Amino acid sequence: SQTIHQWPATLVQPVGSPLSLECTVEGTSNPNLYWYRQAAGRGLQLLFYSVGIGQISSEVPQNLSASRPQDRQFILSSKKLLLSDSGFYLCAWGRGPLSTDTQYFGPGTRLTVL
Amino acid sequence: GIQVEQSPPDLILQEGANSTLRCNFSDSVNNLQWFHQNPWGQLINLFYIPSGTKQNGRLSATTVATERYSLLYISSSQTTDSGVYFCAVVGSGAGSYQLTFGKGTKLSVIP
Repeated sequence: SQTIHQWPATLVQPVGSPLSLECTVEGTSNPNLYWYRQAAGRGLQLLFYSVGIGQISSEVPQNLSASRPQDRQFILSSKKLLLSDSGFYLCAWGRGPLSTDTQYFGPGTRLTVL
Repeated sequence: GIQVEQSPPDLILQEGANSTLRCNFSDSVNNLQWFHQNPWGQLINLFYIPSGTKQNGRLSATTVATERYSLLYISSSQTTDSGVYFCAVVGSGAGSYQLTFGKGTKLSVIP
């Protein structure tokens, strides 16, 4: 069966510090991978998605970047965090065409920027 | 882009009661999913249901694509059903691929 992992689970970082969040998927190959952010407990916003190694599409101009160095690894990064980057970050995977993809979510990383 | 509205925004139920959550969307869809976010934040996939009816235990869902709405039924609710229920869709327009989420229905089941 497929499993999706995210770490760390929680993170408290000062403004201006760098960020690296990692997501890995087990039990499948060539998945679609997604990064979402959830602010204030409701509503998810798609940040990035990837259909293959090195292929990243960004949905929202922001202070964040994403990379996919391996087939089942998806990394969310920032060079300098802003207060507005605080939130709950969720990684998801899927296997189908993007428009009909059933997405499965990881446990999330709760980021607080002080 | 496509709009997704969920109702009610908040719902309090006595354990054992039944409930219906509604999701309206503004355009035709290729993809509709229902999720449950538990108090720890984990998003759990309940149904992939762009049309038709599905059932899984005490939960069932119906999507009437022609009328642009979906319903999630919870029967004999339990305290573990508490959390936020999200509906998410992908519009069927050319080039559409992004899963757009509603704002959710927060369900509290009290013993």
